[in-house]
Amino acid sequence: SQQGEEDPQALSIQEGENATMNCSYKTSINNLQWYRQNSGRGLVHLILIRSNEREKHSGRLRVTLDTSKKSSSLLITASRAADTASYFCATDETGANSKLTFGKGITLSVRP
Amino acid sequence: GAGVSQSPSNKVTEKGKDVELRCDPISGHTALYWYRQSLGQGLEFLIYFQGNSAPDKSGLPSDRFSAERTGGSVSTLTIQRTQQEDSAVYLCASSTGQGDTGELFFGEGSRLTVL
Repeated sequence: SQQGEEDPQALSIQEGENATMNCSYKTSINNLQWYRQNSGRGLVHLILIRSNEREKHSGRLRVTLDTSKKSSSLLITASRAADTASYFCATDETGANSKLTFGKGITLSVRP
Repeated sequence: GAGVSQSPSNKVTEKGKDVELRCDPISGHTALYWYRQSLGQGLEFLIYFQGNSAPDKSGLPSDRFSAERTGGSVSTLTIQRTQQEDSAVYLCASSTGQGDTGELFFGEGSRLTVL
């Protein structure tokens, strides 16, 4: 069953705008990760945030984690056409024997 | 190689045939994962290998699915008597396997089409 539920399912924005994607999950976690997938390709890791962290930055990416609400958000600032891809959140559930549980993903389209 | 390598990249087979999908993880990575991604869907966990420990097979959908990891490196996912619902992209990933589940490095996937 899906652990992470991303929202929205699809997002279309103009180049230069910010993109915010949300993920909710159900159980306690060790960490939460965000991945990106270009069409027809494998997934690429973007950022990992641990359960004791609240915010993390990497370049144009900002991730927040609220363990009390069991939710995370991924913000991509100053989006580019090359950011067009599917984005997945994945959770490392406590006691789940070291496997990540992925959501269904968010399709982001950035219009040039 | 530098990354996770999967073969074949595409496989078309007839219903009822057996298929083997291969994954060559990053050298030195002790953890290896197989996931399945159906069209427009998220990733479905299949199986996880960690070092010499017994694999976590809890995600295998039926007894037609099996996987091996020889010598702690290359892994083969075998699907026997394929069905049309097995059509999907099969993704392999590896990680260092130390501590909590960290970054997974994915291959490009093997796209399976069962006619």
